[in-house]
Amino acid sequence: SAVISQKPSRDICQRGTSLTIQCQVDSQVTMMFWYRQQPGQSLTLIATANQGSEATYESGFVIDKFPISRPNLTFSTLTVSNMSPEDSSIYLCSVRGTRGTDTQYFGPGTRLTVL
Amino acid sequence: DAKTTQPPSMDCAEGRAANLPCNHSTISGNEYVYWYRQIHSQGPQYIIHGLKNNETNEMASLIITEDRKSSTLILPHATLRDTAVYYCIVRPGSSNTGKLIFGQGTTLQVKP
Repeated sequence: SAVISQKPSRDICQRGTSLTIQCQVDSQVTMMFWYRQQPGQSLTLIATANQGSEATYESGFVIDKFPISRPNLTFSTLTVSNMSPEDSSIYLCSVRGTRGTDTQYFGPGTRLTVL
Repeated sequence: DAKTTQPPSMDCAEGRAANLPCNHSTISGNEYVYWYRQIHSQGPQYIIHGLKNNETNEMASLIITEDRKSSTLILPHATLRDTAVYYCIVRPGSSNTGKLIFGQGTTLQVKP
């Protein structure tokens, strides 16, 4: 399996500000994804982070609100911009295609509260 | 939309087998069945996956019906630490295609 770390693990932010979440993997991976889990809900896919090119966003998510970077095969960032209380969620990084397997693994998540 | 149907909740006595069902009647020939679980406040944990044959690992067994329209995840001796939300997901097997789309899952409560 892959060891995935996320920073920060949690944060409390003021509305109107932005937060960048980092995801680091201990090995090169083929694909990286970002998910959101709103309180009491299941996971929703935000986007696929593509190395060296723009991320591919799911319906309902836009680059201006959730800019994503992926500068190499082990690292990605998700920024939550111009936050509102509705953005309070757990944000999860996920990876696939490491060490010869196609299994997808998840990071521990970043718990974001927006006041 | 998720392509699977699971009961919203189940109970199981500690030490007994937990059998979690999943219906995936529209599964395609190249789609695998994946199971994950999410213990409260943690990231989802991979459990097992299969295409058409039954699979077993150190965590669980996966039984897939011959027509592949349904499957059952079996935790042979459930413990209190197995209390979690269990997600059944179908996904194409190729590394570069297919997204892992989560439904609502089954909340399994293991009771002493």
